[in-house]
Amino acid sequence: QVQLQQSGPGLVKPPQTLSVTCAISGDSVSSNSAAWNWLRQSPSRGLEWLGRTYYRSKWFNDYAPYLKSRITINPDTSKNQFSLHLRSVTPEDTAIYYCARDPGWALSALDIWGQETMVTVSS
Amino acid sequence: QSALTQPASVSGSPGQSVTISCTGTSSDVGAYNHISWYQQHPGKAPKLIIYEVSNRPSGISNRFSGSKSGNTASLTISGLQTEDEADYHCSSYTTSLTLVFGGGTKLTVL
Repeated sequence: QVQLQQSGPGLVKPPQTLSVTCAISGDSVSSNSAAWNWLRQSPSRGLEWLGRTYYRSKWFNDYAPYLKSRITINPDTSKNQFSLHLRSVTPEDTAIYYCARDPGWALSALDIWGQETMVTVSS
Repeated sequence: QSALTQPASVSGSPGQSVTISCTGTSSDVGAYNHISWYQQHPGKAPKLIIYEVSNRPSGISNRFSGSKSGNTASLTISGLQTEDEADYHCSSYTTSLTLVFGGGTKLTVL
C-alpha cells in the first residue's frame, strides 16, 4: 500500500531555511494522476495547506499565496520523493509539518498522509 | 485565501446525531464540489472521511455523511460513538488552484 515517510530537522534557527523530505513507497512522484502536498498544523493557525507538486507531462507547482515568496516544493524522481523548502523562517513557522497525497480521483482529497514532522523555529 | 469557518466545538451524546458546518465563499466552497472532511484524533495525522462533498472512501462508516448548500458544507455524524470524539476539518479547492482548510471543530461525545 502507499506510504509516505517524512524526514527533517526538528529545530531550525531563524532566518534559515526549513527543509523536510517525504519519501514515497507504493506510488510514484511522477504519477500522471496524483499530486503531492505539504501542509502544516499549529494551535494558533490550525491546519494549513502550503503547496503541492505534480506531473502532467511536465512539472507543476501550486503554492499558498501568502507563502509564494518563501516556498519551494521539489520532486526528486531518482529517489521517488519530494521536498519542502521554506526560506527565511520565523518562530511563526513553528508547526507540525505533514506531506500528503492527492490520488487524483477526487481533486484535492488527501487520502494518504505522512507521519508528521514537528519543526521548532528558535534561535 | 481566508480559512473556512467552522464552529470551534460541538457535542452530543452516544447514539445522537451532530452536524458540523463549514462556511466559505463563492471562490471556494460555493465554486466547486471539491469539498473534503478529515477526522483527526490526538497525536495522529488527519484521516480522509468524506470527499467530493458526500462520498466516503472505502472503509469509512456510513454514519458519516456530507452535504453542501451554497457556500456552506456540512458533515453529519449519526449514531454517535465514543470513538468519534476527535477534531474534524473541512477543506475546499479554490478558484486560485489552491486548497483551503477550516479552523477545525472539536467533537465531544458526552
